Amino acid sequence: QVQLQESGPGLVKPSETLSLICDVSGVSVNSVYYWSWVRQPPGKGLEWIGYIYYTGSTKSNPSLKSRLTMSLDTSKNQFSLKLSSVTAADTAVYYCVRGLYYYWYMDVWGKGTTVTVSS
Amino acid sequence: QTVVTQEPSFSVSPGGTVTLTCGLSSGSVSTNFYPSWYQQTPGQAPRTLISTTDTRSSGVPDRFSGSILGNKAALTITGAQADDESHYYCALYMPSGIWVFGGGTKLTVL
Repeated sequence: QVQLQESGPGLVKPSETLSLICDVSGVSVNSVYYWSWVRQPPGKGLEWIGYIYYTGSTKSNPSLKSRLTMSLDTSKNQFSLKLSSVTAADTAVYYCVRGLYYYWYMDVWGKGTTVTVSS
Repeated sequence: QTVVTQEPSFSVSPGGTVTLTCGLSSGSVSTNFYPSWYQQTPGQAPRTLISTTDTRSSGVPDRFSGSILGNKAALTITGAQADDESHYYCALYMPSGIWVFGGGTKLTVL
C-alpha cells in the first residue's frame, strides 16, 4: 500500500524558508511518477505548487516558481520542498501527492501538515 | 493566467441528481485536459474520485460519474446521499505541463 507522510516545522517566521519532507512508503521515488505538492490556505481551495519527476526534473506553479526548490532523496525514499521568503499568505495545509504520468492525475495523498507563517 | 471555474456552491436533495461543472475562463475543456475530480470533507485530505474525464478510482461508488458536457468537464452524482456532502474540486492538466485546480464547489445535501 502506497503511503505519503509530510513532516516539517509547523511555524515559520516571515522572510524565512519553509522546508517540508515527504516520506514515501510502498513505492520507490525512482518510479515513473510525478512527486507533487499541493497546499490549501485556511478556508480556501486547493493550489497546486509543483512536482518533481523521478528523473529530477521539476515543474512549478508560475506564481511560486521564483521561490520554490524541490528535490528527491532516493536513499531515504523521500522528496522535499523549500519555499523561500515566506509571508502570511503561505500559511496553509501542505499535502504531498503522487501524480501519474500519462493519465495526468493525482492518486495518492498524504494527510497534510499545517504550516503557519508568523513572527 | 488561466482560471478554472467551478460553481461555488450547490445543493441537492437526498436521492436526487446533481451535476457540478469545471470550465475555463478562456476556452473549452476537453479530454485533452485530463480532467480529474477530488472530494474533500472538512479536516481531511482530498480523495481522488475521477481521473481522465470519466474513470472512477478504486472504491468510488458508481453513483459518481464524469463526463464532458458542452465546453466543460462535469461530475454527476446520481442518487445523492448524506455523506456526499463535501467540497468537490476539479483539476485540469494544462498543455504547459502544470495542474490547475478549480476553486471548488461546496455541495450540500438537504
